[in-house]
Amino acid sequence: AAGVIQSPRHLIKEKRETATLKCYPIPRHDTVYWYQQGPGQDPQFLISFYEKMQSDKGSIPDRFSAQQFSDYHSELNMSSLELGDSALYFCASSLGDRGPRGYTFGSGTRLTVV
Amino acid sequence: DQQVKQNSPSLSVQEGRISILNCDYTNSMFDYFLWYKKYPAEGPTFLISISSIKDKNEDGRFTVFLNKSAKHLSLHIVPSQPGDSAVYFCAASATQGAQKLVFGQGTRLTINP
Repeated sequence: AAGVIQSPRHLIKEKRETATLKCYPIPRHDTVYWYQQGPGQDPQFLISFYEKMQSDKGSIPDRFSAQQFSDYHSELNMSSLELGDSALYFCASSLGDRGPRGYTFGSGTRLTVV
Repeated sequence: DQQVKQNSPSLSVQEGRISILNCDYTNSMFDYFLWYKKYPAEGPTFLISISSIKDKNEDGRFTVFLNKSAKHLSLHIVPSQPGDSAVYFCAASATQGAQKLVFGQGTRLTINP
């Protein structure tokens, strides 16, 4: 069965650069969630989209922005990267009315800022 | 403010014995709880969940217990197998409002042969 696809799997950027992370949800899933997991930390909710509209916002820095496109894939754009942005970024998708019961996570993108 | 807490960063259990992972929460609005298993370099994988209207949910070797008055839940794995070695995250959500998950810090479970 198709899973949540995240690309790239690994990304190395320098400070002050920009990064774009992509998430392709499971077919027919209309909701996408982004989480950030720092080293030794628990995953922290960043932002979510339902039917291409932002549905909730967590501890996402102003330097980050995200959107969900017409094909339901989502992109997380990160500018002016800082060393502290180094983390594992997970995307999860679900059917909007199922909420966390239907969550499926991708394998994540490991971002390293040097 | 850590709303979901897993106070044991690690746990080591002998193969065949019971593994008990604990989780506490502070937000009384949480009404749905999930356990995820995570291997290195992979995303969290759903294991088992429980609604606040229940106090127990069982799925094969995995059982989750919920004590609402104590705001405490636990995951029991019996018998424990070497393949169970992973990091286990407890997560909670509130059906009212956003459906985001709030995670605990995780417990690294090691099953010794």
